[in-house]
Amino acid sequence: DTGVSQDPRHKITKRGQNVTFRCDPISEHNRLYWYRQTLGQGPEFLTYFQNEAQLEKSRLLSDRFSAERPKGSFSTLEIQRTEQGDSAMYLCASSFPVGRSYNEQFFGPGTRLTVL
Amino acid sequence: AQSVTQLGSHVSVSEGALVLLRCNYSSSVPPYLFWYVQYPNQGLQLLLKYTSAATLVKGINGFEAEFKKSETSFHLTKPSAHMSDAAEYFCAVSDRGTGTGTASKLTFGTGTRLQVTL
Repeated sequence: DTGVSQDPRHKITKRGQNVTFRCDPISEHNRLYWYRQTLGQGPEFLTYFQNEAQLEKSRLLSDRFSAERPKGSFSTLEIQRTEQGDSAMYLCASSFPVGRSYNEQFFGPGTRLTVL
Repeated sequence: AQSVTQLGSHVSVSEGALVLLRCNYSSSVPPYLFWYVQYPNQGLQLLLKYTSAATLVKGINGFEAEFKKSETSFHLTKPSAHMSDAAEYFCAVSDRGTGTGTASKLTFGTGTRLQVTL
């Protein structure tokens, strides 16, 4: 049973560079979520896909952030012109439709981003 | 809007003692409630969830939680702490996603770090 996987696990970049993260959800799941977790805080919702459609974006997701899920399978999260404030753990989660799963979301191990 | 308040950012218990981690929620609609555990540099693992089937919910690793609507609480307990329980615990709330395309995003508390001492 393969769970949610994320790549890379760690990314160190310089301010102003672009970075891209990948998430592979559990194959049967049609819902995919991105969350951001900063030190000492709980995860905060960024965006959500149902199949390939991006249906909701948080106000936390500035114009420098873009997420895609082109074929309804894996997803990418890109941050352009990174800032030090972007340093955080980026978590991906996936789930079945709520009616089937009571919204149980399965999380990946996260990608820890450090912006120097 | 939904929110979660976790009282106590750090809780320390002796091995074998009762664990009690507090969570209060706010929701304008009947919620789903969750407890997740996070070990250092790892993602979140679901401990248990409340879906309205029963107010006392049993989860993995001997944890359980009781939903009390009148107190808007969903406290997490374990009768006897083990060293391996040391981790960060997060309470989360979501709606029930009755609308088409509703995100049903999880709203998390700020977490409680559980320390278990000998």
